[in-house]
Amino acid sequence: NAGVMQNPRHLVRRRGQEARLRCSPMKGHSHVYWYRQLPEEGLKFMVYLQKENIIDESGMPKERFSAEFPKEGPSILRIQQVVRGDSAAYFCASSRETGGTEAFFGQGTRLTVV
Amino acid sequence: AQSVTQLDSQVPVFEEAPVELRCNYSSSVSVYLFWYVQYPNQGLQLLLKYLSGSTLVESINGFEAEFNKSQTSFHLRKPSVHISDTAEYFCAVSGGSKFYFGSGTKLNVKP
Repeated sequence: NAGVMQNPRHLVRRRGQEARLRCSPMKGHSHVYWYRQLPEEGLKFMVYLQKENIIDESGMPKERFSAEFPKEGPSILRIQQVVRGDSAAYFCASSRETGGTEAFFGQGTRLTVV
Repeated sequence: AQSVTQLDSQVPVFEEAPVELRCNYSSSVSVYLFWYVQYPNQGLQLLLKYLSGSTLVESINGFEAEFNKSQTSFHLRKPSVHISDTAEYFCAVSGGSKFYFGSGTKLNVKP
């Protein structure tokens, strides 16, 4: 049973380009969470999704950021027109259900905007 | 609403000394509590969790945490640390639709 898979591990984008981050949850997991970790800062919640639904996007910036978790395929975090301040590590986690079950994390995607 | 506070951003300690990493939470509902560890350039790994039952939970590598409902705390302890314990530790609470994480505590174990 493979763990949470994120790709790419490292992504370099020029200012103004689009960044697409992918997350494949663990088998049997239908809940996906995205977090952002800025240098020297903790994890900041961005969005919580279930299959085909965004449940909570209270941590998502209002512009340029979007997320989806389609019926088939990985969850995608999309950042349009990236700026230097978007440089961070983006972590995806998945869980079987909410509440008492633990979340399993991927290795993260480190986005660098140049 | 739920939140997690880790008061210590960094904790330096000498090898074989005891350590305590503090975590306090606030929640209006029953919660589940977790400690995760992050080694450099890696994702988070679950260290231990409290769901119910015994308030003292242990990990396989000697860490333990105690759920204290009256003090709304879930401090992480280890009686004797190793160099390999150097990492960042995150406390998390889950009581609803998502996990809330603290800002992390960097444990630096010195020889």
